[in-house]
Amino acid sequence: DTGVSQDPRHKITKRGQNVTFRCDPISEHNRLYWYRQTLGQGPEFLTYFQNEAQLEKSRLLSDRFSAERPKGSFSTLEIQRTEQGDSAMYLCASSLAADEAFFGQGTRLTVV
Amino acid sequence: QKEVEQNSGPLSVPEGAIASLNCTYSDRGSQSFFWYRQYSGKSPELIMFIYSNGDKEDGRFTAQLNKASQYVSLLIRDSQPSDSATYLCAVGEDSSYKLIFGSGTRLLVRP
Repeated sequence: DTGVSQDPRHKITKRGQNVTFRCDPISEHNRLYWYRQTLGQGPEFLTYFQNEAQLEKSRLLSDRFSAERPKGSFSTLEIQRTEQGDSAMYLCASSLAADEAFFGQGTRLTVV
Repeated sequence: QKEVEQNSGPLSVPEGAIASLNCTYSDRGSQSFFWYRQYSGKSPELIMFIYSNGDKEDGRFTAQLNKASQYVSLLIRDSQPSDSATYLCAVGEDSSYKLIFGSGTRLLVRP
């Protein structure tokens, strides 16, 4: 499978715990994006990497959120001290330059 | 605040009919326009993109763009029950690295 891969697909965590998600983009894609989607809404932009550089972070990304893309390959999104409001689908997408973005399967987070 | 507006639906059409999905956007500087299909519980799947005014056809799908009216539409010809999904309109900025999504229109194709 040469598409965008995300792991895990589902995560249930207790409030206050830390969680980390991984995204492996399409191999030749230098751009990587994280979005968050809640029920009944479209995806909302969280952050963007070009190669290993994080070029933009949304105001939605509070201090509890951090994302990395070491060596410009896979990326991780960490949420510290999770809150119930963090429950959502976290989507990773990748693209080549300014071309169309392709999404992974998403990680569904449930904070209980 | 840049916005993308879609009617939430559901839009119900009979099998074989043309489904017409519409989207308006607020930022006149937007350069790229995308339609994604999302089945319940799944991630968005890119089905069409358009950058220039006019029509762009791909199989049963036609995307239409009118930048003067800030309006994008998606036509699905010969609709099939398998087309039943939520259709997300997304708009990109100059570099098109960041997409602003609408909340989606739910399409239901009746057999």
